[in-house]
Amino acid sequence: SQQGEEDPQALSIQEGENATMNCSYKTSINNLQWYRQNSGRGLVHLILIRSNEREKHSGRLRVTLDTSKKSSSLLITASRAADTASYFCATEGNDKIIFGKGTRLHILP
Amino acid sequence: SAVISQKPSRDICQRGTSLTIQCQVDSQVTMMFWYRQQPGQSLTLIATANQGSEATYESGFVIDKFPISRPNLTFSTLTVSNMSPEDSSIYLCSAEGVGSGELFFGEGSRLTVL
Repeated sequence: SQQGEEDPQALSIQEGENATMNCSYKTSINNLQWYRQNSGRGLVHLILIRSNEREKHSGRLRVTLDTSKKSSSLLITASRAADTASYFCATEGNDKIIFGKGTRLHILP
Repeated sequence: SAVISQKPSRDICQRGTSLTIQCQVDSQVTMMFWYRQQPGQSLTLIATANQGSEATYESGFVIDKFPISRPNLTFSTLTVSNMSPEDSSIYLCSAEGVGSGELFFGEGSRLTVL
């Protein structure tokens, strides 16, 4: 069953701008993760934030988690053409990882 | 990190036949999972592959249709049985790194059923 719901479903921005994607989920979690998938490829892990954390940074990525609202956001700063991909949030709980529907990000030159 | 090798990478199969997908991990992992992904869609968890015992299936997936084996910590197979065109999809093997919670993915097996 689907746990996370990302929004927006699709996002187009100019290169250099920041991109923000949101994820909402329904049940309690141990952690929330973000993944990137380039067209026709497997998924690549970007960042993991635990349920007791509120914010985490990794390079140009910033993730926030609000467990009271059951939501998370992924911010990509200073976007590049290579950031064009689909981004999925995934929640871990009960020994399994469930993925959201994803956001398709397109960086315009 | 772990590298996951999945094969076949793609196949075209006839209705009613079965296909087994193999997944090999190059390092120690904990959990292994099988997902299905329709093009342009999200991933749907099929089952958790348990070492030496029966897999744990998600709602809507059954062992007779998707038998899974995991004879050791780093190898698993998924069989898609008695295939129909509705089974056409990308099947992804993944494994969780020891102590990291991070999932590593294979490149997927793109299955087309005619």
